[in-house]
Amino acid sequence: AQSVTQLGSHVSVSEGALVLLRCNYSSSVPPYLFWYVQYPNQGLQLLLKYTSAATLVKGINGFEAEFKKSETSFHLTKPSAHMSDAAEYFCAVSRVGTALIFGKGTTLSVSS
Amino acid sequence: DAGVIQSPRHEVTEMGQEVTLRCKPISGHDYLFWYRQTMMRGLELLIYFNNNVPIDDSGMPEDRFSAKMPNASFSTLKIQPSEPRDSAVYFCASSFYANEQFFGPGTRLTVL
Repeated sequence: AQSVTQLGSHVSVSEGALVLLRCNYSSSVPPYLFWYVQYPNQGLQLLLKYTSAATLVKGINGFEAEFKKSETSFHLTKPSAHMSDAAEYFCAVSRVGTALIFGKGTTLSVSS
Repeated sequence: DAGVIQSPRHEVTEMGQEVTLRCKPISGHDYLFWYRQTMMRGLELLIYFNNNVPIDDSGMPEDRFSAKMPNASFSTLKIQPSEPRDSAVYFCASSFYANEQFFGPGTRLTVL
């Protein structure tokens, strides 16, 4: 069975600081991994995805994530936070042709 | 492309009433997913279709919930009778094989 664990339901950073959102997955087969962002009262928007190509994946808005099989992790990072990054972030795992299994989400707050 | 379209965006109804949520997936996508989001339970998969055929409905809470996909461009999620605990945001998402799911804006359902 597949599962996702997001460590930390709430992360707070200052504007300009490094953003690190943690995600660990469990999967018996090579997974597809995703990060989605949800702004208030909106649907989920894909930030980036890993589908067994390059282990370092670059996404939109300056975010990137690194797939580490040995650590079963897929942490999301951004070198410098911006106020507009404040949102809820979801890590998800799936196999081909199946539904996404989401983590509980991490709320990112950015202070000036 | 207009993206995934959901209607209505907001629905307020009284307990016991029938509620129908609608979704138009992105043209050409062969998978359609229904999710529910609540504060308590996070994002939950309810059901998904492949080529209009239901593949996994194990997430449907109970017999009061039903979903149909009569053609490739339309799906409905029906709750009858509705209960206050059904209050949530319901998302529809679609994808083409490769698991990059595109989400609609959601329907916020309030059952009084």
